[in-house]
Amino acid sequence: SQQGEEDPQALSIQEGENATMNCSYKTSINNLQWYRQNSGRGLVHLILIRSNEREKHSGRLRVTLDTSKKSSSLLITASRAADTASYFCALLSNDYKLSFGAGTTVTVRA
Amino acid sequence: EAEVAQSPRYKITEKSQAVAFWCDPISGHATLYWYRQILGQGPELLVQFQDESVVDDSQLPKDRFSAERLKGVDSTLKIQPAELGDSAMYLCASSSIDRFYEQYFGPGTRLTVT
Repeated sequence: SQQGEEDPQALSIQEGENATMNCSYKTSINNLQWYRQNSGRGLVHLILIRSNEREKHSGRLRVTLDTSKKSSSLLITASRAADTASYFCALLSNDYKLSFGAGTTVTVRA
Repeated sequence: EAEVAQSPRYKITEKSQAVAFWCDPISGHATLYWYRQILGQGPELLVQFQDESVVDDSQLPKDRFSAERLKGVDSTLKIQPAELGDSAMYLCASSSIDRFYEQYFGPGTRLTVT
């Protein structure tokens, strides 16, 4: 199964700034999801965007999907210390298998 | 709010020993997943159950790993014998039939093999 490739691998920002991370993939998908993982913990589902959608919002999160470029971005606005975590994109294939990328580690400095 | 439970949270074992992890999914979730996450990487699916049946174990190293979900509720993942390369976080997740695309993860079991 394919994996998404996240970019950058790590990101350090000041509290209040925006954080943007990207996910690229190679084959067609059913949907793309973003998960957050705090250090040493399980993953938390953040947002899902279907292959026929271009943009979705949830609170301070904004996700875009460009199926022609096979890429997605996750924007976290007005970051907080509590946003410090690893963020993973997960691809649901058309045969309903979910595969994860290696993640982007975000550090929000106070 | 309902959560996926896993135990133990941490396990240290010696190489060649047997180790087992337990998972209790969210009540009513028919689908249960076991993932392995090596430090610095994303989770990788080991096995997927639909009720008590295995639907995907293509990435499970069957010579040493086994998984069961006898009554279609909780599940156990076993490694025997453990090897140094098995050190990782083992995550359990579950999903419902109608929202199968959204998985809920437990806190994981951190395994260290010495």
